[in-house]
Amino acid sequence: GIQVEQSPPDLILQEGANSTLRCNFSDSVNNLQWFHQNPWGQLINLFYIPSGTKQNGRLSATTVATERYSLLYISSSQTTDSGVYFCAVEKIENSWGKLQFGAGTQVVVTP
Amino acid sequence: DTGVSQDPRHKITKRGQNVTFRCDPISEHNRLYWYRQTLGQGPEFLTYFQNEAQLEKSRLLSDRFSAERPKGSFSTLEIQRTEQGDSAMYLCASSLAGVQYETSYEQYFGPGTRLTVT
Repeated sequence: GIQVEQSPPDLILQEGANSTLRCNFSDSVNNLQWFHQNPWGQLINLFYIPSGTKQNGRLSATTVATERYSLLYISSSQTTDSGVYFCAVEKIENSWGKLQFGAGTQVVVTP
Repeated sequence: DTGVSQDPRHKITKRGQNVTFRCDPISEHNRLYWYRQTLGQGPEFLTYFQNEAQLEKSRLLSDRFSAERPKGSFSTLEIQRTEQGDSAMYLCASSLAGVQYETSYEQYFGPGTRLTVT
């Protein structure tokens, strides 16, 4: 199956700082999603971004499909940004509908 | 659009008991997925349905696990003879699907059911 690697595994930020999270994947994919998992376990959709660049408020994401990586940018971080960020990919040829998740990046934003 | 809902949110059971979880997808979504997440890990795929048809099952889904989606709407996941290793968060997701299977759409997740087997 596809390997998904996220880095860094942990990130501690001071409120107001900017950061970049990375997701590398081992094969071409049809779907890539970024999620934020809050302390109660809910996975919140951030971006559906198999390729290109998208922005939503203080968050933006870029996927370079030909080079098999995606980046999630957090600007002017707030304490509410704390949680685990997951990248997940899907390759339709191998398995329709199956998202393969990375291990996540644990983000802690301190006041 | 009320989102994906799951019931119950928490379940504590004794080893050997059977448990059943329910998932209600977003109303117009015809694909429904089950995932399992253990502490410190990303979610892992268990199975998925397109309408009422169960199209794929992971090797993680042992014989003690069964999932149904009888009318193509809500789904249930049953675990028989629970073991302590079944303790995890069980997540349900839904998405649209195109006429052709070779189409990928964004998946939306429910709040999960946290199972503790004592």
